[in-house]
Amino acid sequence: NAGVTQTPKFQVLKTGQSMTLQCAQDMNHEYMSWYRQDPGMGLRLIHYSVGAGITDQGEVPNGYNVSRSTTEDFPLRLLSAAPSQTSVYFCASSSGTAIYGEKLFFGSGTQLSVL
Amino acid sequence: AQSVTQLDSHVSVSEGTPVLLRCNYSSSYSPSLFWYVQHPNKGLQLLLKYTSAATLVKGINGFEAEFKKSETSFHLTKPSAHMSDAAEYFCVVSDMNYGGSQGNLIFGKGTKLSVKP
Repeated sequence: NAGVTQTPKFQVLKTGQSMTLQCAQDMNHEYMSWYRQDPGMGLRLIHYSVGAGITDQGEVPNGYNVSRSTTEDFPLRLLSAAPSQTSVYFCASSSGTAIYGEKLFFGSGTQLSVL
Repeated sequence: AQSVTQLDSHVSVSEGTPVLLRCNYSSSYSPSLFWYVQHPNKGLQLLLKYTSAATLVKGINGFEAEFKKSETSFHLTKPSAHMSDAAEYFCVVSDMNYGGSQGNLIFGKGTKLSVKP
């Protein structure tokens, strides 16, 4: 039972570098999302997708891009990394709408440091 | 707009004593409410959820929470703490600002629970 798989687990970047955080789920969930977790801030929504080909911005989208070409995959791209993007990133998926109580399944996170 | 406030950033209890983690929310409609737990270096896991059914919700590992609309609270409790309960706990409310008809979730800032032997 793989669930939600995130890679890499750790990454160090220099300012200005680009990279892609990978997220894949094997539960056939339509809904996927990316959060960042900063100390004392809880989790904040970056981008989300309600199905293949459909993405939209969350609370803190600046500096990040996403795409959803398949149901399974939802990569997060940092185009030009900045120190403010140092954080722990979580990918999540669910089978239905959050407002009616659908459970989110989380990956184990990616710890990103931007120097 | 919806919001959620966890009243304590850190709670410390002794093993075998009760746990109380406090959460207040604000919402202009009837929200769904959740508690998620995060053990060190792990992803988040759902403990329990309230979705307008019974106001007293039972979750995994002996945790429960009571939805009190008059107090806009959703406090998490456990009668007897175990060492394995040491983790960070997040109170979460559903949100209509993002996600269109799907909605989305707003996370509290978290309460770190320490359990002393």
